[in-house]
Amino acid sequence: GEDVEQSLFLSVREGDSSVINCTYTDSSSTYLYWYKQEPGAGLRLLTYIFSNMDMKQDQRLTVLLNKKDKHLSLRIADTQTGDSAIYFCAEMGNAGNMLTFGGGTRLMVKP
Amino acid sequence: DTEVTQTPKHLVMGMTNKKSLKCEQHMGHRAMYWYKQKAKKPPELMFVYSYEKLSINESVPSRFSPECPNSSLLNLHLHALQPEDSALYLCASSQSSYGETQYFGPGTRLLVL
Repeated sequence: GEDVEQSLFLSVREGDSSVINCTYTDSSSTYLYWYKQEPGAGLRLLTYIFSNMDMKQDQRLTVLLNKKDKHLSLRIADTQTGDSAIYFCAEMGNAGNMLTFGGGTRLMVKP
Repeated sequence: DTEVTQTPKHLVMGMTNKKSLKCEQHMGHRAMYWYKQKAKKPPELMFVYSYEKLSINESVPSRFSPECPNSSLLNLHLHALQPEDSALYLCASSQSSYGETQYFGPGTRLLVL
């Protein structure tokens, strides 16, 4: 089946940039998503990118997509303590409504 | 508004109890989903309803029984659960079932004793 992988953990200092990486195997992916999950909460959609784009910027968030290498990244500029959470990468394949999630990256922001 | 609501927030039940989880959205979405999430793991898809019909059942045990009374509501009926069913149950919805962005609710944290 399709696979999405992320590193488990990232620690940054407040004010620095964070870069969370994701790789996937499904070459027919249509959309790729970043969700944020704070402790005890549901998943909040942060941003998404269509597979024919290579970059999307939304305020402090920048998504980069390298379709050739099947690599997706989420850059958070000026990281704040409120950004501490688990970040899930997910891809939507060509078949439609099935999301394949990565294992999640826990971001810890130190003051 | 991209809000999906779920009740209750927390639920503790014994293995012989019957309970229901509820999910509601008023975004006019026609696809709704149930996911199960264990600690430190990504969500796992359980069921998909598309236009109020069950379209995907990911081989979930029959002690979990979904119901979609109308396009805004999704229930998950629970009966004779096991302790290993303790998890966060997430509901999501999307505009339609094909390739549309899914919006998640806050989840119900279930503990089975």
